[in-house]
Amino acid sequence: QLQLQESGPGLVKPSETLSLTCTVSGGSISSSGYYWGWIRQPPGKGLEWIGSIYYGGSTYYNPSLKSRLTISVDTSKNQFSLKLSSVTAADTAVYYCARHRISGIANWFDPWGQGTLVTVSS
Amino acid sequence: DIQMTQSPSSLSTSVGDRVTITCRASQRISSYLNWYQQKPGKAPKLLIYAASSLQSGVPSRFSGSGSGTDFTLAISSLQPEDFATYYCQQSYSTPYTFGQGTKLEIK
Repeated sequence: QLQLQESGPGLVKPSETLSLTCTVSGGSISSSGYYWGWIRQPPGKGLEWIGSIYYGGSTYYNPSLKSRLTISVDTSKNQFSLKLSSVTAADTAVYYCARHRISGIANWFDPWGQGTLVTVSS
Repeated sequence: DIQMTQSPSSLSTSVGDRVTITCRASQRISSYLNWYQQKPGKAPKLLIYAASSLQSGVPSRFSGSGSGTDFTLAISSLQPEDFATYYCQQSYSTPYTFGQGTKLEIK
């Protein structure tokens, strides 16, 4: 059974870089037909897609975050990572990683990691 | 960006009731619409993909329908474990966007 687990600091200072890693177990990150995505949810609010990456390295990002965002993949460790620079309090959220299934044009997120809360505060 | 609007935002309902949640897209998205269930403190769980395809392991009391701009999630007979927040998500074009959520509460 495929499982995803987010890891990284729970507290980041304003203007610094938020860094998270998602470790995939029970399956290979190099499987064809799957991207790997990040989604976030501010406390008490809705969901926002951040971006997705293929094991070969191709990415697509939410334009609202693109200038601050880097998503990378390490197939040797079965992990993918998120870096978001110049963070502010507005970046405080639960960050989820998820497998992003692509089937033609249709695509969906399943399964998801349990999520990790990142707070931006001095 | 494609805006997704769900209605209602919240709904008080009872075990055994039939419930429908509506999701409207700001432009046509064919059938590229997914539904997720989220319980407090938990990650979202995929229920329906491509508007009407039931994800493996999801009870058959959940169903999805619609195409174009208007979509519906139906739960035929609410069970206690179904009280949660439900989100729609368009997968037609990036940035992929979600509805604001519909919270089902016990009456």
